[in-house]
Amino acid sequence: DSGVTQTPKHLITATGQRVTLRCSPRSGDLSVYWYQQSLDQGLQFLIHYYNGEERAKGNILERFSAQQFPDLHSELNLSSLELGDSALYFCASRSGRVNTGELFFGEGSRLTVL
Amino acid sequence: GNSVTQMEGPVTLSEEAFLTINCTYTATGYPSLFWYVQYPGEGLQLLLKATKADDKGSNKGFEATYRKETTSFHLEKGSVQVSDSAVYFCALSDQWSETGGGNKLTFGTGTQLKVEL
Repeated sequence: DSGVTQTPKHLITATGQRVTLRCSPRSGDLSVYWYQQSLDQGLQFLIHYYNGEERAKGNILERFSAQQFPDLHSELNLSSLELGDSALYFCASRSGRVNTGELFFGEGSRLTVL
Repeated sequence: GNSVTQMEGPVTLSEEAFLTINCTYTATGYPSLFWYVQYPGEGLQLLLKATKADDKGSNKGFEATYRKETTSFHLEKGSVQVSDSAVYFCALSDQWSETGGGNKLTFGTGTQLKVEL
């Protein structure tokens, strides 16, 4: 158990819809990262938040947005969903105080868009 | 930008065989290097890491040495078991600063390992 919790584990929805994925980082971790894992693209970095502030953006579509709340949990919002958004979405966290480089991953949220 | 290239799979081995999964990287500065493992239906778990040149990371019989001269971090295990069947990801982490971004991991495409009896 990594200590990172993601909900929901599975989500099935239709094209055009909007969903929210939630992540609770390890206790005390200030950084949250979101990754998308799909069969054709591998693991793609989406976005990084540190203590509530956006710090880095990767290959995140404009239809996607994220935020980190004062209690440090994070949400990834996916809107106007397309078939190609079907993927496994991972959240990872790390401490802001110790530079070990290691990220701790949740078990992922599997999104299926029909 | 940073990138990681690892050998394509699937790699199929018999139990007790020797394993090598190649990984090379492109990065500026002095990244940290990692191997993560993903078992079926699970998230990624850190297998081992190395933070500077010539460091050797090791865990559960797996080893990898950070070779700056060849920009490589190949994963090896002397005798694989059926329970090692999983997808293995090589990754690098850019330098971290407390005030900036950083420490996002750049992953290779993953190598699926199947170990058979």
